[in-house]
Amino acid sequence: GAGVSQSPSNKVTEKGKDVELRCDPISGHTALYWYRQSLGQGLEFLIYFQGNSAPDKSGLPSDRFSAERTGGSVSTLTIQRTQQEDSAVYLCASSRTSGDSYEQYFGPGTRLTVT
Amino acid sequence: AQTVTQSQPEMSVQEAETVTLSCTYDTSESDYYLFWYKQPPSRQMILVIRQEAYKQQNATENRFSVNFQKAAKSFSLKISDSQLGDAAMYFCAYRSDGGGADGLTFGKGTHLIIQP
Repeated sequence: GAGVSQSPSNKVTEKGKDVELRCDPISGHTALYWYRQSLGQGLEFLIYFQGNSAPDKSGLPSDRFSAERTGGSVSTLTIQRTQQEDSAVYLCASSRTSGDSYEQYFGPGTRLTVT
Repeated sequence: AQTVTQSQPEMSVQEAETVTLSCTYDTSESDYYLFWYKQPPSRQMILVIRQEAYKQQNATENRFSVNFQKAAKSFSLKISDSQLGDAAMYFCAYRSDGGGADGLTFGKGTHLIIQP
């Protein structure tokens, strides 16, 4: 079946603009994860959804970042008033459940460049 | 908080040879999972191998095997008969077994170069 998809693949935006990144998980996967990959910080875990609920938002870098998931499927990560330090690859992953060792399947990521 | 350390930013190996990538981690938990992920230039993270902390036997997947030393908090990856397609970034990752918001904690990665 289809894997995790993310859109757009690449996004260039001007500093101060808002951006929305989309993740479409594997059908039937209840858990969804967002990560950020940057040269300076490596791979950081941002937020996790079980169904439509995000129990812990403390991993989001600032209050300019928000995420939602609707219908237990598609998730969007929104960055408001983008800054140059937001430039990174944003990876999404999904898994069948969060409470065990089930593999997280990753999407190809969205490369965000803030100019 | 857990930390994962990969001390080798880059490794190079001749095709068909064996290479070992190092990973150490720090945790106070007794139950957890460890992973090695491969990330080629396409950016897609691919799971290479997984180890449950409660299992004493080292995991193997074809040419890939791990040396899991729980007391030493060490989790190295051995790649046998290296192939050109193995060239990629390799990330060691840790996941709690808390049953909750268990994102992965990654190391900084090792860039593996395969010399033909």
